[in-house]
Amino acid sequence: GENVEQHPSTLSVQEGDSAVIKCTYSDSASNYFPWYKQELGKRPQLIIDIRSNVGEKKDQRIAVTLNKTAKHFSLHITETQPEDSAVYFCAARENKFYFGSGTKLNVKP
Amino acid sequence: NAGVTQTPKFQVLKTGQSMTLQCAQDMNHNSMYWYRQDPGMGLRLIYYSASEGTTDKGEVPNGYNVSRLNKREFSLRLESAAPSQTSVYFCASSESRSGNTIYFGEGSWLTVV
Repeated sequence: GENVEQHPSTLSVQEGDSAVIKCTYSDSASNYFPWYKQELGKRPQLIIDIRSNVGEKKDQRIAVTLNKTAKHFSLHITETQPEDSAVYFCAARENKFYFGSGTKLNVKP
Repeated sequence: NAGVTQTPKFQVLKTGQSMTLQCAQDMNHNSMYWYRQDPGMGLRLIYYSASEGTTDKGEVPNGYNVSRLNKREFSLRLESAAPSQTSVYFCASSESRSGNTIYFGEGSWLTVV
């Protein structure tokens, strides 16, 4: 099955700085790569996704890049705000969804 | 449109007891999933159902059984609960076609003592 690795496990940034979270996947058949934000005690919620025929996608302060050859994709958050503090998960899908182990992002005011 | 609904939200079990987590979705999705979430482990797939009448093991199926009762409902059963099954359980659903995201229920907090 698919194996998704995510780094770093924790990330602390100053408000206004950028944050980058990286994921790698093993199955070249995976073709859909979503990112989820999970606040404490809540369910994961989709924040952005990218399909395998696209290299980059941006939505306001959030962007995702995909390198299919290297089998890695990254989440970029610019101008971070305290409300961005949460756990972020990457995922890869061919049929099933496989998730990374999560990154706890702390944005310090 | 409630999305994915799962019950119960909280449950405490004694070792060896059995219980069933219920899940229903109203988005007409074919695919449904059960995940468990443990600290530092992310979301691990327990069982997956691609469509009504089919189920498939995920990464951590031992100690669990599932039933895809119909297109809407997908239940997870613990036959003999163990402390190692203390976790947060999420039911989820998605369209079958790749390129469509997964939607989660609110989670069920299960403690086995």
